[in-house]
Amino acid sequence: NAGVTQTPKFQVLKTGQSMTLQCAQDMNHEYMSWYRQDPGMGLRLIHYSVGAGITDQGEVPNGYNVSRSTTEDFPLRLLSAAPSQTSVYFCASSLQGPLYEQYFGPGTRLTVT
Amino acid sequence: GENVEQHPSTLSVQEGDSAVIKCTYSDSASNYFPWYKQELGKGPQLIIDIRSNVGEKKDQRIAVTLNKTAKHFSLHITETQPEDSAVYFCAASFTLFSSNTGKLIFGQGTTLQVKP
Repeated sequence: NAGVTQTPKFQVLKTGQSMTLQCAQDMNHEYMSWYRQDPGMGLRLIHYSVGAGITDQGEVPNGYNVSRSTTEDFPLRLLSAAPSQTSVYFCASSLQGPLYEQYFGPGTRLTVT
Repeated sequence: GENVEQHPSTLSVQEGDSAVIKCTYSDSASNYFPWYKQELGKGPQLIIDIRSNVGEKKDQRIAVTLNKTAKHFSLHITETQPEDSAVYFCAASFTLFSSNTGKLIFGQGTTLQVKP
């Protein structure tokens, strides 16, 4: 098993550009989530999904969209990038929900200029 | 709202000493409290967790204690080693209608440095 994979590893965007951060898992996990990590602020939940077709907002959802068309994939879309979205983004998955071990991907470092 | 506070933000200890990291949470209904370790350039990994029906859990040199009345929990690392140097995160669950819905909210993180 590859576990949780994220692409790209690094990305530089200009303000106003859009992009999609990819996340995939091959463990047949129902629950997937996106976090951003900023210095001094820990891991903040952006969006999460309890299964295909079901998503919900986390602590900091503004400026981000998600969809879950398959169990395996959970892409995160930035519609119009802003410098405040400069961060390291982590995708995670777990078997059934927040009460189970979360398996994190290696992260995507995004810089918005 | 849902909140997890973690202290200290940085912790420096000598090799062999103990390290303690503390967290408080806001929702008395939270019932799952994991701890994650993040090494440089990697994603966080679960190192130990505790559920609300247990007061303490140990795994070799690490232990977690939970005080539900005070809504706080702590990570204890004994006989620290240089390879324990990392960022540690606590988290608390905030579930909605059933155990597979809801969120995991993380604390701000503690950077632990173990000096040889």
